[in-house]
Amino acid sequence: AQSVAQPEDQVNVAEGNPLTVKCTYSVSGNPYLFWYVQYPNRGLQFLLKYITGDNLVKGSYGFEAEFNKSQTSFHLKKPSALVSDSALYFCAVRDKGDDKIIFGKGTRLHILP
Amino acid sequence: DAGITQSPRHKVTETGTPVTLRCHQTENHRYMYWYRQDPGHGLRLIHYSYGVKDTDKGEVSDGYSVSRSKTEDFLLTLESATSSQTSVYFCAISDYWMNTEAFFGQGTRLTVV
Repeated sequence: AQSVAQPEDQVNVAEGNPLTVKCTYSVSGNPYLFWYVQYPNRGLQFLLKYITGDNLVKGSYGFEAEFNKSQTSFHLKKPSALVSDSALYFCAVRDKGDDKIIFGKGTRLHILP
Repeated sequence: DAGITQSPRHKVTETGTPVTLRCHQTENHRYMYWYRQDPGHGLRLIHYSYGVKDTDKGEVSDGYSVSRSKTEDFLLTLESATSSQTSVYFCAISDYWMNTEAFFGQGTRLTVV
């Protein structure tokens, strides 16, 4: 069965600094990987996904993520953080051939002015 | 934004009563999911559907049942609500191809007293 781990409950970054939100996964086959963001009292919004090909994936709002098969990781990154990036971020995985999409516990990102 | 509507948006119910939450989509997507979101647990999959009348259990299905009689509607029923089912419930949809991302509804906040 697939699973996702987000090892940090909270990440604090100063505005303008680069940010990284970590995600590791476990699947029996090949993964489809996703990042979502949730703002207060809202549903989840899709940021980016890895399907195949280039290990560096670019998404919305300047975010990118790097797929590392050997480390089974899919870390979310942004070169320069904004205060408006403060939100709850979720990593998700779908094993190819499986219908389920499994989410991690989420990481709360605080960008400090 | 994907056409997903959850109803009701808020509900307070008493322990032991049945509750049905509705998810309605206008996108004709094949897959529909029900998740619950709880602090410290992130998003956990309750049940999902891969077609009309085709459903399966997720990670935390005990105490819940689902039905999908039409492509556009996916119902989640709590047969006899308990306080442990107090949560925010999210519906999500995704298209036929497994590499497509899921789109989320705005959530239903359920309180069982």
